[in-house]
Amino acid sequence: GQSLEQPSEVTAVEGAIVQINCTYQTSGFYGLSWYQQHDGGAPTFLSYNALDGLEETGRFSSFLSRSDSYGYLLLQELQMKDSASYFCAVRSYNQGGKLIFGQGTELSVKP
Amino acid sequence: DAGVTQSPTHLIKTRGQHVTLRCSPISGHKSVSWYQQVLGQGPQFIFQYYEKEERGRGNFPDRFSARQFPNYSSELNVNALLLGDSALYLCASSLVERDSGANVLTFGAGSRLTVL
Repeated sequence: GQSLEQPSEVTAVEGAIVQINCTYQTSGFYGLSWYQQHDGGAPTFLSYNALDGLEETGRFSSFLSRSDSYGYLLLQELQMKDSASYFCAVRSYNQGGKLIFGQGTELSVKP
Repeated sequence: DAGVTQSPTHLIKTRGQHVTLRCSPISGHKSVSWYQQVLGQGPQFIFQYYEKEERGRGNFPDRFSARQFPNYSSELNVNALLLGDSALYLCASSLVERDSGANVLTFGAGSRLTVL
C-alpha cells in the first residue's frame, strides 16, 4: 500500500524556524507536494518537489530525498498566521490525478 | 475570478437519508475531484472526473456516487447515510486530468456534513 507519515503536532515560537517531516512508503510517484489548511478550510498548495533537493518559495522551503523516502517542509521566520495544518501528499504512477495525503501536522505558533 | 465553490457549506442529516453536494470548478478547469476529510485526518480521495467521465475512484462503498456536467460542475451523492459519513467533503479542480508535474489542486472550502 501507500502511506505517508507526519508528526501529529509541532509547536514553535514566532520568528523561529520549524521543520515538518514526511516519510512515505509508496512505489513510483511523480513528486511530493505540501498543502496548508487553516481551521478546516480549503487546503491550499504550498510547494512541490519533483526531484531530490531543496525548493524555496519565500519563507517556505521543501526538500525531497527519494533514496531515503523522506521529505520535509521548512518554515522560516514563523508568523502567527502560519498556525495551521500541513499535509504532505504524493501522486503515484498509474493513479491518474489522485493525491494521497498524509495525516497532517498541526503547527501551533506561540508569541 | 471565482475560486472553487461548494454548496451547501454546512448540513445536518439523519442516518439513512441521502445527500447531494455540489461543486463549481474554476473557470477553464475540466477536472474535478472529491475528497473526504474526517476530523484530524488528511483528505481521502473519493472520485475524479474529467470531461464528464469518471477517471478514478477511491476505496468508498457504492453508496457514494458522482457525476460531472457539461459545464464541468459536479455533484457528489451519498445514499443511506451512516454516522461515519460525517466529515468535510472537499471538491478540488485542476486544469488537466493528469500530468507529470505537480498537478496542483485548487480546493473549495468544503461542505461539512453531520450525520445524526
